[in-house]
Parts: sequence; C-alpha cells; structure tokens
Amino acid sequence: QKEVEQNSGPLSVPEGAIASLNCTYSDRVSQSFFWYRQYSGKSPELIMSIYSNGDKEDGRFTAQLNKASQYVSLLIRDSQPSDSATYLCAVPRGGFQGGSEKLVFGKGTKLTVNP
Amino acid sequence: EAQVTQNPRYLITVTGKKLTVTCSQNMNHEYMSWYRQDPGLGLRQIYYSMNVEVTDKGDVPEGYKVSRKEKRNFPLILESPSPNQTSLYFCASLKQGSYEQYFGPGTRLTVT
Repeated sequence: QKEVEQNSGPLSVPEGAIASLNCTYSDRVSQSFFWYRQYSGKSPELIMSIYSNGDKEDGRFTAQLNKASQYVSLLIRDSQPSDSATYLCAVPRGGFQGGSEKLVFGKGTKLTVNP
Repeated sequence: EAQVTQNPRYLITVTGKKLTVTCSQNMNHEYMSWYRQDPGLGLRQIYYSMNVEVTDKGDVPEGYKVSRKEKRNFPLILESPSPNQTSLYFCASLKQGSYEQYFGPGTRLTVT
C-alpha cells in the first residue's frame, strides 16, 4: 500500500455544493495530517492541519480524521469557483516521531467548482 | 515580506550540463527541503536540511546534490542532468517546532 493515497479525481461539483476529498495513509502510528491547496501553476499552501480523531473546522473547511480507519478527509462547504485547485494530503514520514520536515504527499485530487 | 525565493524560475538545458537552482528564505527557518512534482507521481521530497551543514536524503535523491552553508540558502545541484530530471521543482522552508512548510514559487526545468 502506498504511504498516502488520494482519490485521483478529477472531482467536479456545482457552486454551493459540498466537496469531499479523501485520503488514506499506511503508517498506523502517524500523528499529524495536513491538507495543502495548490492552484494551477502555483506552489502548495497549507490550509488545514489535524492531529486528533474527529472534526476540525475552519471557516468553510472541515478536516475529519479517523485513525482507526487510517483515513483523513477534507470537506469544503458552499464550494466556490475560487476553490478550484488541486488538494494535496500530506503525512510526516517517521510515524510517531515524524516531523513536518519529512512530509509524504498524496498525488492530489483536482477539484473543479462549476459556477 | 516573508518568502522563499527560487532562481531561475524557468530553465531549459541539455543533458550533462551542470546546473544549480538557488533557494533562499528570509524567515530564519531551520529546516529547508527540495521537492519535485511530476504528473501522476505527485510531490516527492529530494533532500532536506535540518540546519547548516546538516542534510539528509528524501525519497528521490539520485542525481541531485545539496549543500547548506548558510541558514538562508539551500541550493540544488544537478551535476549531470538527464531528461528524466525534467520536472517542476519546489524549495520549502519550515520553522523548527512548527508544522507549516512555506513553498517557493517553483522552478520548471526541462532537460533535452
């Protein structure tokens, strides 16, 4: 199993809908999880981090973590055309001791929000 | 303005001609990394550095060299570039104890 796997997409949703992006990881002892957003032709930028099981909300974004299932997701509520981008899931390599200097990224899911 | 800069932004070169891509950050971050991004393969770490004179291999270090002689700079060196190193390269920095990596704007390299 690859270390970090994401739905390759592309994912297309209408404006105002909820976009759901999924990620699974292989290292059972991973402790921290990140979502980066990358607009076309631009560099990745961090939008969410989550460390504990459950949900973490930040504006229209909600990260969900289920360590038992080794699954992390990102929900975007009230999707806007400006949310159209590739979303990258990232997990530190090195399990419990892994720091963010050794991130393993998923291949990303391209999201298009249609007006 | 806090930033990571890379130069050049675009480079077309020929096989075997040594090149250096520079990376500089003005945030006094301890950690710096180089990534390459390829369609279908995603973003993969090449090398990272924990501080001056301390570097380690990432996932795809073959064909690359790095050095960290100053805290702010982390150049990526391709001694003998090959076409399979054609890619989009990103430099990133991270403050020790933090979790957010700051990425540079990217360098698109084509090796013919």
